[in-house]
Amino acid sequence: GQNIDQPTEMTATEGAIVQINCTYQTSGFNGLFWYQQHAGEAPTFLSYNVLDGLEEKGRFSSFLSRSKGYSYLLLKELQMKDSASYLCAALDSNYQLIWGAGTKLIIKP
Amino acid sequence: SQTIHQWPATLVQPVGSPLSLECTVEGTSNPNLYWYRQAAGRGLQLLFYSVGIGQISSEVPQNLSASRPQDRQFILSSKKLLLSDSGFYLCASTIAGRDYNEQFFGPGTRLTVL
Repeated sequence: GQNIDQPTEMTATEGAIVQINCTYQTSGFNGLFWYQQHAGEAPTFLSYNVLDGLEEKGRFSSFLSRSKGYSYLLLKELQMKDSASYLCAALDSNYQLIWGAGTKLIIKP
Repeated sequence: SQTIHQWPATLVQPVGSPLSLECTVEGTSNPNLYWYRQAAGRGLQLLFYSVGIGQISSEVPQNLSASRPQDRQFILSSKKLLLSDSGFYLCASTIAGRDYNEQFFGPGTRLTVL
């Protein structure tokens, strides 16, 4: 079967760094997405990785290891507005997104 | 740029009543369109997707149906709502010009069935 695993909840301090991990098992693989979702709002796109390695976009970076079926989202210099759920999703062989349940990130002052 | 409209934003319906949620997309042609449901504190559940007018694929058997009468219009319906149909309904579209399946989401409809 197809499965995405990510922690349910994480807590971090304002100004710190946090890493949210995601492991995936899919029928074929065509890339890995990270989305941010604030409470009561729609998800918004953060990053897409299809090749191994690290992609950096400002305070946010995303890493992929295809051989390990593993990705992480790294958030630096955390701000209170980063409090949200972070959704990991893998694109399978049919180009359908398989979604994780999301990681709720709580930022404390 | 692409925009997705969904209405209504919130809806409270009694069990057994019908449902019609509408999604329209602007700024693109022939997109893939998706209906998702998100229960409170949970991930996204794909309900239906469409690759063109009149073409609907159902991912989860249930009392919901979908239709795509026009290229940029996607409708989610039910003849009789169940309590378990409560949730946050999101319409999504692929983005023109992307060579990967990035999905762009509408603002969502929050449905409460009582």
